[in-house]
Amino acid sequence: DGGITQSPKYLFRKEGQNVTLSCEQNLNHDAMYWYRQDPGQGLRLIYYSQIVNDFQKGDIAEGYSVSREKKESFPLTVTSAQKNPTAFYLCASSHPPEVRQPQHFGDGTRLSIL
Amino acid sequence: QKEVEQNSGPLSVPEGAIASLNCTYSDRGSQSFFWYRQYSGKSPELIMFIYSNGDKEDGRFTAQLNKASQYVSLLIRDSQPSDSATYLCAGLDTGRRALTFGSGTRLQVQP
Repeated sequence: DGGITQSPKYLFRKEGQNVTLSCEQNLNHDAMYWYRQDPGQGLRLIYYSQIVNDFQKGDIAEGYSVSREKKESFPLTVTSAQKNPTAFYLCASSHPPEVRQPQHFGDGTRLSIL
Repeated sequence: QKEVEQNSGPLSVPEGAIASLNCTYSDRGSQSFFWYRQYSGKSPELIMFIYSNGDKEDGRFTAQLNKASQYVSLLIRDSQPSDSATYLCAGLDTGRRALTFGSGTRLQVQP
């Protein structure tokens, strides 16, 4: 059953701690994305990757880091430099984003500060 | 910055009515637009997408695109209480090949 798996579903971060959110897909998609959603807001792009071993900053990359060592995996690290990390984090993937290729989303990870 | 704008709502319609959701965008280069539905606490799910001027129908849903006016809309016919959700409009930023999302419109269908 193809899809995007995000883990954990809930995550708590202590002051000064880095935490990593996992995103795995078995859809054979080349492109992967990380978004942040705050309550009552739309999705803001953190990082995206069109191909393995390459990624670009989105609109709100400060305080976050990513890697893309495998086509299936695109983990997001929320560093201690991100002072307001509490949000709903969504991972998405798609075939090369040509005109007709929609993004599909995982179930998300809710991150809170302890 | 390229933007996608939506009225946050809530838009309230009675059951069985047509709900009309609207979206404007600033990037004239955007080639395609996507409508997602998001229930409270859940991730977005794709409803439909459109890339040509005019209308595109899929069941109870019709997407409309007017590139000259930079305007996209989603019509939901025979609205049901289960359609109550936030609807997100997104445009493809062809420069960086990623979606730009609006802030969403909350729809409430009253039984």
